[in-house]
Amino acid sequence: GAGVSQSPSNKVTEKGKDVELRCDPISGHTALYWYRQSLGQGLEFLIYFQGNSAPDKSGLPSDRFSAERTGGSVSTLTIQRTQQEDSAVYLCASSLEISNQPQHFGDGTRLSIL
Amino acid sequence: AQSVTQPDIHITVSEGASLELRCNYSYGATPYLFWYVQSPGQGLQLLLKYFSGDTLVQGIKGFEAEFKRSQSSFNLRKPSVHWSDAAEYFCAVGARQSGSEKLVFGKGTKLTVNP
Repeated sequence: GAGVSQSPSNKVTEKGKDVELRCDPISGHTALYWYRQSLGQGLEFLIYFQGNSAPDKSGLPSDRFSAERTGGSVSTLTIQRTQQEDSAVYLCASSLEISNQPQHFGDGTRLSIL
Repeated sequence: AQSVTQPDIHITVSEGASLELRCNYSYGATPYLFWYVQSPGQGLQLLLKYFSGDTLVQGIKGFEAEFKRSQSSFNLRKPSVHWSDAAEYFCAVGARQSGSEKLVFGKGTKLTVNP
């Protein structure tokens, strides 16, 4: 079966533009997580979803970041008015249940802000 | 809040040699503990996890880890390393409380395997 799918795999955009990153979790997985990986900060938690609900948004760096999940499946992470410090690899993961923690990661979206 | 330290940024071993990657955590109670591996350009793969019970945990690819509460450690071991094990390894800690499902990751240890 398919694993966690993320698109695009690479995104280059100009500072100030909005970007939308997509995550398609493994079918039937109720828990979905977004993490960010950068050279300076390492791996950072952004947000997780239990179904369509996001109980913990504490990791979102600023109000320019938002995420949603619809139909208990696909999730999108949106960054508005991108800044150079947003350059990173954005990783999505899913699990059958929230208590299992992130089990299956996608290959990530590499975001570069010029 | 929990935290993780991986003291070794880079480790080099010869193929066939044994391996131990160190991980120390800080958390006020018994945490959830994880080891992940990441190959270049790819996402993370879960190697093993500790939730409760037996403190020696077996994982995939011949890896094991031992939870030592007295030392706040969760070191990863493998008796004989293969060239394909070259990758970056991340230890992570999770809090045992509902509504706090984030993992805190260490900075990673890059493993190089010499032939």
